[in-house]
Order: sequence, then C-alpha cells, then structure tokens
Amino acid sequence: DSGVTQTPKHLITATGQRVTLRCSPRSGDLSVYWYQQSLDQGLQFLIQYYNGEERAKGNILERFSAQQFPDLHSELNLSSLELGDSALYFCASSVGLGTGGRNNEQFFGPGTRLTVL
Amino acid sequence: SQQGEEDPQALSIQEGENATMNCSYKTSINNLQWYRQNSGRGLVHLILIRSNEREKHSGRLRVTLDTSKKSSSLLITASRAADTASYFCATDPNAGGTSYGKLTFGQGTILTVHP
Repeated sequence: DSGVTQTPKHLITATGQRVTLRCSPRSGDLSVYWYQQSLDQGLQFLIQYYNGEERAKGNILERFSAQQFPDLHSELNLSSLELGDSALYFCASSVGLGTGGRNNEQFFGPGTRLTVL
Repeated sequence: SQQGEEDPQALSIQEGENATMNCSYKTSINNLQWYRQNSGRGLVHLILIRSNEREKHSGRLRVTLDTSKKSSSLLITASRAADTASYFCATDPNAGGTSYGKLTFGQGTILTVHP
C-alpha cells in the first residue's frame, strides 16, 4: 500500500460525458501527478500540482483539467469523453519538487480504470 | 513520446534464474527510476538511481546506470514466481538543474517467471 488513494476504482460511462477522478496523496506529500496508461500510448504524464499550484504539464488534452485543493487532494476532470479516453488513470505523489538536485521518488495510487462506451 | 525504451519487450525465465532488463533514454536526467506493475494494478517504486551514481543495490535488485550511453539495466537475481510483472524504467529529466518530476516511462518489459 503506497498510501496514495484514488476513487473510484472503476468508472464506466458514455461518450460525451464528463467524469471526475479523485486522488488523495500520501500524508505530507505536497506534489501530485496524474498519468494516463493506455495500450497504445503506454504511461504518459499528464499534469503536476505542487501545494495547490500547477507546476508542469505533459500530454494533457484541452478537454481534461485538474486542480489541487487546500487539503492537497487532487481531482482530474475529463469532459466530452471519447472512446480513446478509455485507460487507467494513475495519481502519484511525492514530498517535493525534486529541485536542487534532490530526488523525486513518486508513489503511485492503485489507479482508476475508465471505460468509455 | 516515450523517452525510455526497454529491452526486451518480454522475458520468460524459470524460478531461480536471473532476469536482466535494459532501458535506454534520450535526454539528460536527474535520476532514473524503476517501477513494477502487476497486471492492471498500480505501480510500485523499486529503486532510484541518481545521475551521478553508477550502481545501486536493493535486496535482489541491482541497477546500473551509464549516462554516457544513456542506458540503465535492472537485474533481478534468483527470481521467484512472485516477480512476474511488468517492469518500467522512468526518467526524471534534467531541465537546467530543475526537476519537476515529470517522469517519462518506457513501454516496459513483461517478465514471466515460471515455477
């Protein structure tokens, strides 16, 4: 158990719909990351938040958005869903940013499996 | 695009044998991390090696890093059936000395250990 929790575990929805995935980081971790894992694209970094602020963006679609709340939990919002959005969505957390030569070990949650029909 | 390229894509061995997986990457890094993923489940962090380190050990795991060749290897010694999983390398890129933890994962190696 990494200490990172994600809800829900599974989500089945239809095209065009909007869903929200939730992540609670490990106690004390300030950074939250979102990743998407699909068969064709593999594991892709989507976005990172640190202490409530967006810090880095990856291959995140404009239909997707995220935020980190004052209690440090994070939500990933996916809208206008398409079949191709079906994937495992992982949240990870780490203590800090990894700047100044420090390392940035990330701890992953169990993931949310999204199926778009 | 994936920075890390793992080799082989799949590896099948008998219990007790050693398993070696390789990873190549393209840009300079702060560190390189190896993760394990059991089928359809979350990733488990195995080991992190910094860019100024050449070798690191953790239990039955041995990781090497060659920054001149931009490659790393993960060796699992005396493998067990429970080691059956996918193994991913992930690079933490060096962007002017700053890392935001934007890990870039390889496609992974599927390891099957037969009892």
